[in-house]
Amino acid sequence: SQQGEEDPQALSIQEGENATMNCSYKTSINNLQWYRQNSGRGLVHLILIRSNEREKHSGRLRVTLDTSKKSSSLLITASRAADTASYFCATRETGANNLFFGTGTRLTVIP
Amino acid sequence: KAGVTQTPRYLIKTRGQQVTLSCSPISGHRSVSWYQQTPGQGLQFLFEYFSETQRNKGNFPGRFSGRQFSNSRSEMNVSTLELGDSALYLCASSPQASAGTGELFFGEGSRLTVL
Repeated sequence: SQQGEEDPQALSIQEGENATMNCSYKTSINNLQWYRQNSGRGLVHLILIRSNEREKHSGRLRVTLDTSKKSSSLLITASRAADTASYFCATRETGANNLFFGTGTRLTVIP
Repeated sequence: KAGVTQTPRYLIKTRGQQVTLSCSPISGHRSVSWYQQTPGQGLQFLFEYFSETQRNKGNFPGRFSGRQFSNSRSEMNVSTLELGDSALYLCASSPQASAGTGELFFGEGSRLTVL
């Protein structure tokens, strides 16, 4: 399968805590992206990190990329109840035009 | 600027029927991708179109087809529906020529239920 895999599949934390999600993939990539999906809705782009970058920040989000381990992590700091959603990583493989999505992590933030 | 619009939002069909889903990308976006999302398989890539040409196709049977028009609007069609085709079908547009180069902008999806 060309899909990545997120870990854990589900995560439940208290409001104010940090949430960390991991993504592993199988092939060489041009970039890796993280998306968020509220239940049954469309996906919303969060952040893109290129293969030559190791870390990127956007607001309360921090993404790291380790191409040698073919893995990425998404950290959400000071979580809020509104962060409750599914989070997906997506990779653009070298030579490919489209994105392949991972299996997702379901995050629940308890108020 | 209007977002990606998918119609219909919800539809119910019976086995053996066919269905056509429509996607209007963000104005100026020429790349359109389609994904199927199910609880068991996650998000599976269906096709990608750019300037009316299908550039990539995922691993789906020939019952799944699509096209893109000169105004970048896209349609996908599923013929001879099966129960397993029940899913959320998501369309995404991109301003880049290559959909994976930058972010994708997703519509709200078309929820298909096959009875």
